[in-house]
Amino acid sequence: SYELTQPLSVSVALGQTARMSCGGNTIGTKNVHWYQKKPGQAPVLVISRDSNRPSGIPERFSGSNSGNTATLTISSAQAGDEADYYCQVWDSSTVVFGGGTKLTVL
Amino acid sequence: QLQLQESGPGLVRPSETLSLTCAVSGASISGSNFYWGWLRQPPGKGLDWIGNIYYSGGTYYNPSLKSRVTISVDTSMNHISLRLSSVTAADAAVYFCARTYSSSSRDPYFYWGQGTLVTVSS
Repeated sequence: SYELTQPLSVSVALGQTARMSCGGNTIGTKNVHWYQKKPGQAPVLVISRDSNRPSGIPERFSGSNSGNTATLTISSAQAGDEADYYCQVWDSSTVVFGGGTKLTVL
Repeated sequence: QLQLQESGPGLVRPSETLSLTCAVSGASISGSNFYWGWLRQPPGKGLDWIGNIYYSGGTYYNPSLKSRVTISVDTSMNHISLRLSSVTAADAAVYFCARTYSSSSRDPYFYWGQGTLVTVSS
């Protein structure tokens, strides 16, 4: 089965840029989606199909995908961005999630 | 505006069957060619996919749960149902229903319910 690997945690200073990776075998050939998950809330889609921002998502959120790594980038990180972030792909007729990265804004 | 609302028993006994319903409002399931999914998040753990159902009834399941899971659609009631049999403590989680962004199974989930907590205990 396909596996996605995310770092457990990433820290970023307020106002700086956070980058979170999602590793998978030839993930660059797949569509990668990213969700923001805060405690007690439903996940929110922040990036779809590698680099597309749904309406209502700030331009500070961006994504890229190439080779074996997809990346979610949050520029000018704010306190409200502190959350868990999950990458997701569709592979072999199944939905696959990464283990999630906890973003801490210092 | 599309809204999803999960409901069902908050407590299930080990070895019994968990049954949840996702009520859909703001749109008709039968009139929209989207995928509807069930997902869960165990306490302190990450998101876990249970399965998808197409509006016409075709299903995809997580291989690790496939033998215990049934997802169905009731267009007359405009809801999606989940049945998970032979539950154990490992099935305790917040359960979410969700709908894809568009008509492709490769698309992400854009609409989500608020989730419902299920505890497994005797």
